[in-house]
Amino acid sequence: SQTIHQWPATLVQPVGSPLSLECTVEGTSNPNLYWYRQAAGRGLQLLFYSVGIGQISSEVPQNLSASRPQDRQFILSSKKLLLSDSGFYLCAWTGGSNYGYTFGSGTRLTVV
Amino acid sequence: QQQVKQSPQSLIVQKGGIPIINCAYENTAFDYFPWYQQFPGKGPALLIAIRPDVSEKKEGRFTISFNKSAKQFSLHIMDSQPGDSATYFCAASTGSNYQLIWGAGTKLIIKP
Repeated sequence: SQTIHQWPATLVQPVGSPLSLECTVEGTSNPNLYWYRQAAGRGLQLLFYSVGIGQISSEVPQNLSASRPQDRQFILSSKKLLLSDSGFYLCAWTGGSNYGYTFGSGTRLTVV
Repeated sequence: QQQVKQSPQSLIVQKGGIPIINCAYENTAFDYFPWYQQFPGKGPALLIAIRPDVSEKKEGRFTISFNKSAKQFSLHIMDSQPGDSATYFCAASTGSNYQLIWGAGTKLIIKP
């Protein structure tokens, strides 16, 4: 069966520090991968999506970046965090017969 | 044309009542309409989904009603329980690219 792992669960980082969030999917190949951000009490904002290794599409201009070094690995990064980067970050995958998105458990990022 | 409009933004219903959440879309190319349920601090989870070749789909206490001509679909929760209190998101996509277009979400509270 397919599973998605996302870590860390919570993170408190100072302004100006770097960020690296990792997401991996097991049990499938060539998934579509997504990074979303959710502000408190708000909807889902698509940040990046990837349909293959090295293929990243950015939906929102900001100081975040994403990379897909392996087929089932998706990384969200920042060189210097801003206070406005605080939020709940969610990784998701879809593909094959799985039209629905399967989300990871999320990372609560607080920039202080 | 890519938007999915969801209403209401929030909803309070007594236990046993039938909350109804509505979504509307413009893009007639959409052919997959899922609903997601999100509990606080968790990622959204697929609840139920429908394709436009049927007008209704039931899974347990959850029902999607779909009106193709009106380009609307709705979620009904029968015999609602306090454990159903969550944020609900509707979404839509075309089968060709798996990209989900999300509604803004509805925060549902079921009072005991």
